[in-house]
Amino acid sequence: AQKVTQAQTEISVVEKEDVTLDCVYETRDTTYYLFWYKQPPSGELVFLIRRNSFDEQNEISGRYSWNFQKSTSSFNFTITASQVVDSAVYFCALRPASGGSYIPTFGRGTSLIVHP
Amino acid sequence: DTGVSQDPRHKITKRGQNVTFRCDPISEHNRLYWYRQTLGQGPEFLTYFQNEAQLEKSRLLSDRFSAERPKGSFSTLEIQRTEQGDSAMYLCASSWSGAPNEQYFGPGTRLTVT
Repeated sequence: AQKVTQAQTEISVVEKEDVTLDCVYETRDTTYYLFWYKQPPSGELVFLIRRNSFDEQNEISGRYSWNFQKSTSSFNFTITASQVVDSAVYFCALRPASGGSYIPTFGRGTSLIVHP
Repeated sequence: DTGVSQDPRHKITKRGQNVTFRCDPISEHNRLYWYRQTLGQGPEFLTYFQNEAQLEKSRLLSDRFSAERPKGSFSTLEIQRTEQGDSAMYLCASSWSGAPNEQYFGPGTRLTVT
């Protein structure tokens, strides 16, 4: 069974603050993929990143960075110098890399509110 | 291509009525997925198709739910005898079988059962 926990239900910050969204996962699979999605008020989930369980390198993309730590089963997401447009619900997701199922398990999401 | 589209965007229906939603995937994508998302939760998988074949169904997909993708292009999701518990956002996503991780989501259909 797979489980993704996003313990932070809602985070409120002021523009230009850095913010970290936590994601902890549980899986019995030895290989798997981790994802982050953004869901703005319009409702459409937007893919942000995919990480293979073999690759523990952290990644940076502009103001976004991701910290994958297999030892603690965490895949945290940091937004540097947050902006109002970052306000959205962010979902972490997990799916096995083998076994033929391509279905991700999503966390409950963290609502990020960035105030001007 | 304009991405995944869903119709309608909002649907209000009375309990007991049947409803049907449509999803048009990105044209070159052969996989199509349906998810349900309730308030404060992440999307939950319902079913997925590769071309016209329905390959996987969640236990969440009760007998009142049926999905089709007759020509391997657009898909419909029908809910019969709707219940208030069916109120949710129904999301559709598509991908190419060569890149199954890259699921592109539509804007969703919000269903309210009164």
